[in-house]
Formats: sequence, C-alpha cells, structure tokens
Amino acid sequence: DADVTQTPRNRITKTGKRIMLECSQTKGHDRMYWYRQDPGLGLRLIYYSFDVKDINKGEISDGYSVSRQAQAKFSLSLESAIPNQTALYFCATSDPWDRGGELFFGEGSRLTVL
Amino acid sequence: QQQVKQSPQSLIVQKGGISIINCAYENTAFDYFPWYQQFPGKGPALLIAIRPDVSEKKEGRFTISFNKSAKQFSLHIMDSQPGDSATYFCAATVYSGAGSYQLTFGKGTKLSVIP
Repeated sequence: DADVTQTPRNRITKTGKRIMLECSQTKGHDRMYWYRQDPGLGLRLIYYSFDVKDINKGEISDGYSVSRQAQAKFSLSLESAIPNQTALYFCATSDPWDRGGELFFGEGSRLTVL
Repeated sequence: QQQVKQSPQSLIVQKGGISIINCAYENTAFDYFPWYQQFPGKGPALLIAIRPDVSEKKEGRFTISFNKSAKQFSLHIMDSQPGDSATYFCAATVYSGAGSYQLTFGKGTKLSVIP
C-alpha cells in the first residue's frame, strides 16, 4: 500500500460544484501539504499544515480550503469549482526532524472542471 | 528572491547521451538543493540533493554540480536511458524559523530519452 494515498485519483465535475480531495498517510509525519501541478508552471503550494491545529496558506490558496481531521488525514476542498482549477493535485508529507525537508508525495488527483 | 529558474522546459536526448538540466537562484539563504523525479502518473520523488558546502555530488549515473558564486546548480544524467524519461524538478530550501523549512520548486523539465 502507498504511504500517501489520495482519493479520488480522477474526477470530472461541473463549474460551481463543491469538490473534496482527500489524503491519508501512514508515514507518521506531522507535516502535510497540498500542491497543484500545471504544465509549464511546476508545483505550487496551496496549503500546508504542521500539525492538527496548524493550517497555513501557501502561494495560491484563493478558492481553496483545507481541513486537517487527524495527524494522518488532510483534505482539500474547492467550495465552488471553476474551470481554471483544472489541474493535477498532489498531497505530500514531510518529517519535521529531516533538515532537508524531503517531501513524500501521493500519486495525485486529476481534477477536470467543465 | 524566492524564485528558482529551471531550464530547459523540455529536453530530448538519445540513449547513451548526457542529459543536462540547469537551475539558478537569487536567494543566498537557500541551504539545500534537492532534485525530484516524476514519472507519468506518479508523484514526484526525491532523486538526489546537495548542500552548498560541496561542489559536486554523484549517485550512480546522476550528478549534481553546484556553483555557489554563480548561484547555479545542474543535474547531469550520464548514459541516459529510456527509463530516465520523466519530469525533473530542481528545488531550493531555506530555513524559515521555528523548525520550518520553505521549499521552492523550479518549473520542471520534461526529459525524453529516445532509443
């Protein structure tokens, strides 16, 4: 089983719909992240959480919200999806004691907003 | 200041050739430079990393060259193989206090190794 699991892996939805992407991890890491990947734009940080009580905005948080339900679970919501939120979304974790901050990524959730 | 500029955006190399991907940065506070490799349909994974106190790090066919004065670093893939076809991201990390590290990614290079 994957250490970082994302569901759903693929989702097609319509403009205005609410969407939730879920992430769970078995690595025991406190730190979790949501990234968005677009061709030519690389990986951009949406939100991150250093523990259950800690939520921080990344560089592109507008239009998104997150919830850290437990150490192992971090979900990303789009309250009212729009077409330019069509992208590949990645959840990641890291160990706070790792000075290099290595990120462990899930396999991604591809979201298409029509 | 926080940008990491990566080039080229795409690269086609023949099997057995050398693949070279370059990155440049401005923030001299960056103190760790990892490279991530992403295969189609997968998430990125750490490939190799270097700290600025060394000029080169080699792991198998993969080598990072680091030029601190020029604020540039590059990934060299020797004897490139079709299995190396992937997207490569350079990154840079800076300590931002309270045990927190801020990671900045380059925009990625899609490498295709043709037989």
